Amino acid sequence: AQKVTQAQTEISVVEKEDVTLDCVYETRDTTYYLFWYKQPPSGELVFLIRRNSFDEQNEISGRYSWNFQKSTSSFNFTITASQVVDSAVYFCALSEPGKTSYDKVIFGPGTSLSVIP
Amino acid sequence: DAGVIQSPRHEVTEMGQEVTLRCKPISGHDYLFWYRQTMMRGLELLIYFNNNVPIDDSGMPEDRFSAKMPNASFSTLKIQPSEPRDSAVYFCASSPWTVLSGANVLTFGAGSRLTVL
Repeated sequence: AQKVTQAQTEISVVEKEDVTLDCVYETRDTTYYLFWYKQPPSGELVFLIRRNSFDEQNEISGRYSWNFQKSTSSFNFTITASQVVDSAVYFCALSEPGKTSYDKVIFGPGTSLSVIP
Repeated sequence: DAGVIQSPRHEVTEMGQEVTLRCKPISGHDYLFWYRQTMMRGLELLIYFNNNVPIDDSGMPEDRFSAKMPNASFSTLKIQPSEPRDSAVYFCASSPWTVLSGANVLTFGAGSRLTVL
């Protein structure tokens, strides 16, 4: 069965510090997708990134970077030089296409990040 | 595009009452999802539709919950009768389908916060 674990429930950092949010997943499939979503205090979930299981290249987008390692089943998210606006709950998610539960996206429990000015 | 539109944003009702939550997906998105978010259980997928047809309702907690999608631009989630344990934020999300990656990049609505007294 699919499973997504985010062991860090809450993290607090001081502004400008770097912070890494951990995500570990379980799947029996060789084809799958991994995601990160952000939920700011306003409540709406916002898509950040999608990676497929065949693409292990790390990705950087501005202050955000993602490290995908199939060997450890991890898809970690790093925010460099954090800002107060980064304060939010971040969700890692997993989907396995091609089955009866095709396109079913399963979310991890989330990590609440507080960036202190 | 206005995004995924949900109504009402907040609903307070008494136990036993019927609750109807509404969702208008993004035009052209083939898939529509209903999620529930609680502190205890996180984000749970309740049901999803493809081209207005329910595909997987295994996440619907019990018979008191029902969902419909009468056309491509409207879906409802109904709880009858409501109970205090149904208190949660209910999110609607929609997604386009692509040949390469299916339908798994979700655009969420702002959510409907339900409180059952």
